[in-house]
Amino acid sequence: GAVVSQHPSWVICKSGTSVKIECRSLDFQATTMFWYRQFPKQSLMLMATSNEGSKATYEQGVEKDKFLINHASLTLSTLTVTSAHPEDSSFYICSARDLTYEQYFGPGTRLTVT
Amino acid sequence: GENVEQHPSTLSVQEGDSAVIKCTYSDSASNYFPWYKQELGKRPQLIIDIRSNVGEKKDQRIAVTLNKTAKHFSLHITETQPEDSAVYFCAAGLFSGGYNKLIFGAGTRLAVHP
Repeated sequence: GAVVSQHPSWVICKSGTSVKIECRSLDFQATTMFWYRQFPKQSLMLMATSNEGSKATYEQGVEKDKFLINHASLTLSTLTVTSAHPEDSSFYICSARDLTYEQYFGPGTRLTVT
Repeated sequence: GENVEQHPSTLSVQEGDSAVIKCTYSDSASNYFPWYKQELGKRPQLIIDIRSNVGEKKDQRIAVTLNKTAKHFSLHITETQPEDSAVYFCAAGLFSGGYNKLIFGAGTRLAVHP
């Protein structure tokens, strides 16, 4: 099946710094990638939809200036958490869609802001 | 926008029993309904999906039913095994051209006891 990777798998950063998370589709071209946030024992909350070569579409309540998304190629999307604060600590998961309906999820990135 | 409700939040069964998880959605335009299994600390994995032109789909011990009129769909797991223990998420989405985001239910934590 299709494989999606994320890097890093976990990161600890200090409050006020920025963190970049990469999402790659390894064996297929993904015209659309999605970024989710998941709190412990909770559901996947869609943050934004990212289409290659165009601006991301953010869900209501998600600050686009804080969560910068770039989808520069058909295999790579990045999420940058700017000026991170402790409340941004969470599990961030990306997914990528191929030509079918299915979304393939990455392994997730655990962000801890101290 | 779409809203997905999922019940129950937790489900405990004995090995060999059946498990049923139910979801309702709000947007009658939604046409794709996948189910994901997420084990602790791992990425969500698609286990079965159904499209709006089908009422039922089965894959070995797993089946999904869809009632478009009532806007609800259900996951049925028969002959449960301890390795079925995980969190299960339903999702609903409208797939039309490039628009294909999924909205997830809150999740059901299934425990299968030997």
